[in-house]
Amino acid sequence: AQRVTQPEKLLSVFKGAPVELKCNYSYSGSPELFWYVQYSRQRLQLLLRHISRESIKGFTADLNKGETSFHLKKPFAQEEDSAMYYCALSEGGSNYKLTFGKGTLLTVNP
Amino acid sequence: DAGVIQSPRHEVTEMGQEVTLRCKPISGHNSLFWYRQTMMRGLELLIYFNNNVPIDDSGMPEDRFSAKMPNASFSTLKIQPSEPRDSAVYFCASRGTGVNEQFFGPGTRLTVL
Repeated sequence: AQRVTQPEKLLSVFKGAPVELKCNYSYSGSPELFWYVQYSRQRLQLLLRHISRESIKGFTADLNKGETSFHLKKPFAQEEDSAMYYCALSEGGSNYKLTFGKGTLLTVNP
Repeated sequence: DAGVIQSPRHEVTEMGQEVTLRCKPISGHNSLFWYRQTMMRGLELLIYFNNNVPIDDSGMPEDRFSAKMPNASFSTLKIQPSEPRDSAVYFCASRGTGVNEQFFGPGTRLTVL
């Protein structure tokens, strides 16, 4: 069965510092990987997906199949990045279910 | 579009009572998902529907939980009888065809005393 691990429950950085939120997965096939974000008092929403290979709000994430990782990175954190971040995996194809990690609460201090 | 709509937003009930959570997906979306979020277990998929048909209910914890989707614009998640360990935030999400992205509702915070 697939599994998503986010080893850090809490991560605290200062504004302007680099940030990396870790995500590792286990799945025998070729998964689709996502990062979802939940800002305070807002809905959970998609931040980015590995297929798009895009940068959203300065965040990037590269799928490393060798290390089975999909870490989320931003070179200079901003206070508005403070939120709960969830890594998620989809088996792809016609299977639409997402398996989520337990989330990392990022706090960016001024 | 108001997005995915869930009701009620908060529910407090006593152990043994029946609880019904409601969800209206985004119009035109054909997949609907129910999740439960707790501190201990994070965000867990309970069940999902495709074209109103339940596809995967392996995450439903036990027979006390049931979900229905009578039409494309409405789904319910029922707990009968409720127990204190069911206390959690329950999210509904929907997905359209073509793009693998789920849109989440605001959640229902359930407290069972």
